[in-house]
Amino acid sequence: GEDVEQSLFLSVREGDSSVINCTYTDSSSTYLYWYKQEPGAGLQLLTYIFSNMDMKQDQRLTVLLNKKDKHLSLRIADTQTGDSAIYFCAEIAHTGRRALTFGSGTRLQVQP
Amino acid sequence: DTEVTQTPKHLVMGMTNKKSLKCEQHMGHRAMYWYKQKAKKPPELMFVYSYEKLSINESVPSRFSPECPNSSLLNLHLHALQPEDSALYLCASSQDVGTGLGTEAFFGQGTRLTVV
Repeated sequence: GEDVEQSLFLSVREGDSSVINCTYTDSSSTYLYWYKQEPGAGLQLLTYIFSNMDMKQDQRLTVLLNKKDKHLSLRIADTQTGDSAIYFCAEIAHTGRRALTFGSGTRLQVQP
Repeated sequence: DTEVTQTPKHLVMGMTNKKSLKCEQHMGHRAMYWYKQKAKKPPELMFVYSYEKLSINESVPSRFSPECPNSSLLNLHLHALQPEDSALYLCASSQDVGTGLGTEAFFGQGTRLTVV
């Protein structure tokens, strides 16, 4: 079955790195995604990683995937106050309904 | 252009009203989705349309009725809603349904629905 878990809250200081973690249970997941949601807004696709990759870097964002442990992380370098938001990891499984299943979301608070 | 446009942004409706939410994309995507998001919760899938046909209905009550008039438009018709249906309704689209490259979904800004 599909189950995606995240820690609920993370607080960092401006300029530090943030690491948001996610675990998933469906080993058939093909793509894993990170979305950002600011208050009152929709979801913004940040990045995604294919399940046969270990790492993907995109400017300040680094995604690490440990497929053996079914663990996904998003590292934001030089975190800014504008990065304050809720971050959702999501997966699409190769079997089953083949639509996004979201984690519970991690609220990132960046202190000036 | 990776834009999904939803209207209206806010909607207040009574329990006896009939209203519709609208969603539009011009990316040539053939899969479109409705999600419901309650406060402090992740989005929950409601419906999936693939090539203008309903492919997934996540056991959504019949007071929610989706419609896909063409490949660019997706509607959600609302009738006899309950206060607990108040939520942010998000539309999304992707190139196709499934797990291949190009299935990343792009979301609209949502319609904030309040049922009174």
